[in-house]
Amino acid sequence: EVQLVESGGGLVKPGGSLRLSCAASGFTFSNAWMSWVRQAPGKGLEWVGRIKRKTDAGTTDYGAPVKGRFTISRDDSKNTLFLQMNSLKTEDTAVYYCATNDAFDTWGQGTMVTVSS
Amino acid sequence: QSVLTQPPSASGTPGQRVTISCSGSSSNIGSRYVYWYQQLPATAPKVLIFRNNQRPSGVPDRFSGSKSGTSASLAISGLRSDDEADYYCAAWDDSLSGVIFGGGTKLTVL
Repeated sequence: EVQLVESGGGLVKPGGSLRLSCAASGFTFSNAWMSWVRQAPGKGLEWVGRIKRKTDAGTTDYGAPVKGRFTISRDDSKNTLFLQMNSLKTEDTAVYYCATNDAFDTWGQGTMVTVSS
Repeated sequence: QSVLTQPPSASGTPGQRVTISCSGSSSNIGSRYVYWYQQLPATAPKVLIFRNNQRPSGVPDRFSGSKSGTSASLAISGLRSDDEADYYCAAWDDSLSGVIFGGGTKLTVL
């Protein structure tokens, strides 16, 4: 069974940092392009960014609101995706989901990040 | 304000057919695949349609997707009470170099 499990969310002050993880199982993680998508409370979905598989150069792309502050990385030996979030703002408060491939065909359950003083 | 425009709400009665529209531009829908997601209350989204009109295994054929020019539509036939959810369209945007989502449509089954 394909499964994604996010962790690492919590409460952080504005300007702080947080690192989210997404543990993958049930598929060949190293072959997958992986994305992060977020959803602010009561709002719609917003794409955060993606990382391609290493055979596609492993490059990253980011949405404008997070570019320069967030970094996506992966550890294929541990089947884990990461999202390093720096210089956090109150508007980054959201549930963060990881998802597979260009179709986002599998999603995790999400992890809540709250940025507040 | 989303780059992809969806109606904020839609409704229908059980058994009816409803359609949800998604309007974009030449830099996204006009040149890229469209995807549709269903988000039931308090759950993660789930893909309903990929690459304009393809259904993943397990998605009933009551759900169908279409695209014409810079617009796309999701049709749900034989509406059921458990179809009540938020529906989002999405596409890659070449100008923004990123994925964009529609603002979402809340479907109510009356």
